[in-house]
Amino acid sequence: AQKVTQAQTEISVVEKEDVTLDCVYETRDTTYYLFWYKQPPSGELVFLIRRNSFDEQNEISGRYSWNFQKSTSSFNFTITASQVVDSAVYFCALLGAGSYQLTFGKGTKLSVIP
Amino acid sequence: DSGVTQTPKHLITATGQRVTLRCSPRSGDLSVYWYQQSLDQGLQFLIQYYNGEERAKGNILERFSAQQFPDLHSELNLSSLELGDSALYFCASSSTLTDTQYFGPGTRLTVL
Repeated sequence: AQKVTQAQTEISVVEKEDVTLDCVYETRDTTYYLFWYKQPPSGELVFLIRRNSFDEQNEISGRYSWNFQKSTSSFNFTITASQVVDSAVYFCALLGAGSYQLTFGKGTKLSVIP
Repeated sequence: DSGVTQTPKHLITATGQRVTLRCSPRSGDLSVYWYQQSLDQGLQFLIQYYNGEERAKGNILERFSAQQFPDLHSELNLSSLELGDSALYFCASSSTLTDTQYFGPGTRLTVL
C-alpha cells in the first residue's frame, strides 16, 4: 500500500520568512513519482512539481525549492521569502509505477501573515 | 489555467437526487481522472478513463458512474445522493507522454 504523510496540518509564518513543508511517503515500488500541488483559497489544484524516484537532484524554481531524499523517504518543499500569495493548502502526492491514481497526503495549510 | 474545464462550478441539490458533472480535458490528453475532496476523507481517487475505456477504479461508490465520450470529455454521474456526498469533485487529465495530472477548477456539490 502507498501512503503519504504530511505531519504539519497548519503553519503560520510572517511574510519574508522561509518555510519548509514536510512530506514523508511509503511505497514498495522501486519506480514512483512524487508531486506537489497547491490549492489556493479559490479551490483549484495547481501542479507545482513532479519528481521521479531515480532523480534525487534537488530542484529550485524561483523562491521554491524541493529536497528529495530517498534514504528517508522524504520530499520536502521550501518556500524562501514567503509572500501573502503563498497562503494555500499544499499537497504532496505519490504515483506508483504502473498505477493511475495519485495518493495524496492530508495537506498542509500555510498562512503567510503580512 | 490548467486547460482542464469543469462544469458546473457549483451545484446544490437535495438528497435522493441525481446530478451530472462534466469535464473537458486538456487538448490532446487521452486520460481523464475523477477525484473527490471531502473534509474527512481528503483527496480520494474515484476512477480513470483512457480514450473512452475505463482503466482504473478507486473508492467509487456503486451509486456513482462515469464515462468518457468519443470527443474525450467525461461525465461523472452521482445518483441517490446523500448528505455525505457533499464534496469538491475534481477532474484531471494527463497525456501519454507524462504522468503529471493537471486538475480542473472543481465542482462543489452541496447536498441538502
